[in-house]
Amino acid sequence: GNSVTQMEGPVTLSEEAFLTINCTYTATGYPSLFWYVQYPGEGLQLLLKATKADDKGSNKGFEATYRKETTSFHLEKGSVQVSDSAVYFCALPWRRYSSASKIIFGSGTRLSIRP
Amino acid sequence: DGGITQSPKYLFRKEGQNVTLSCEQNLNHDAMYWYRQDPGQGLRLIYYSQIVNDFQKGDIAEGYSVSREKKESFPLTVTSAQKNPTAFYLCASSKPGLVIDEQFFGPGTRLTVL
Repeated sequence: GNSVTQMEGPVTLSEEAFLTINCTYTATGYPSLFWYVQYPGEGLQLLLKATKADDKGSNKGFEATYRKETTSFHLEKGSVQVSDSAVYFCALPWRRYSSASKIIFGSGTRLSIRP
Repeated sequence: DGGITQSPKYLFRKEGQNVTLSCEQNLNHDAMYWYRQDPGQGLRLIYYSQIVNDFQKGDIAEGYSVSREKKESFPLTVTSAQKNPTAFYLCASSKPGLVIDEQFFGPGTRLTVL
């Protein structure tokens, strides 16, 4: 069945370090892929998305490229800030009902940035 | 501004009591969802609703109930039959017809059973 596997955390980095959070997926067809972010005590927000192979999603300095050949959607940022401390979820929408969707979420990766 | 509101933010319950979590959206979305999040884990789907007066069980519906009497509202009741209810509960909604099927989330309710 469809699934999402993402890098286990926690990940701790110093400010201005380079960030990679790995995500791989298993799916039939060519689904869209998402990264959601959850700041402490809050709900999830969509960070970026890609709808087809080779698409690059980007937002707030974060990027992720949909790679069909490696079934991956790794999240990257060139220079992290303390404000990026949050939990990041890779997600795969896979079954669509008449007016609802089902999203498979990865287990989440907690990121902490040291000043 | 459009969005999803959940109340209360924190909720405490004694064992054996039912409790209802509120979720309201003004995004004019047809579909609404309830998820449960446990520490260090991803989200698990409890119930979802595609239209008013219709709802379906998700992956972990046992011990929970919902209603959908209005498009804007999708309350979740955690019953005494739920054996381990302490968790963070998230409500979401989505608009039909979007290719990407993005879901929008509320701020969550943290439920603690004493």
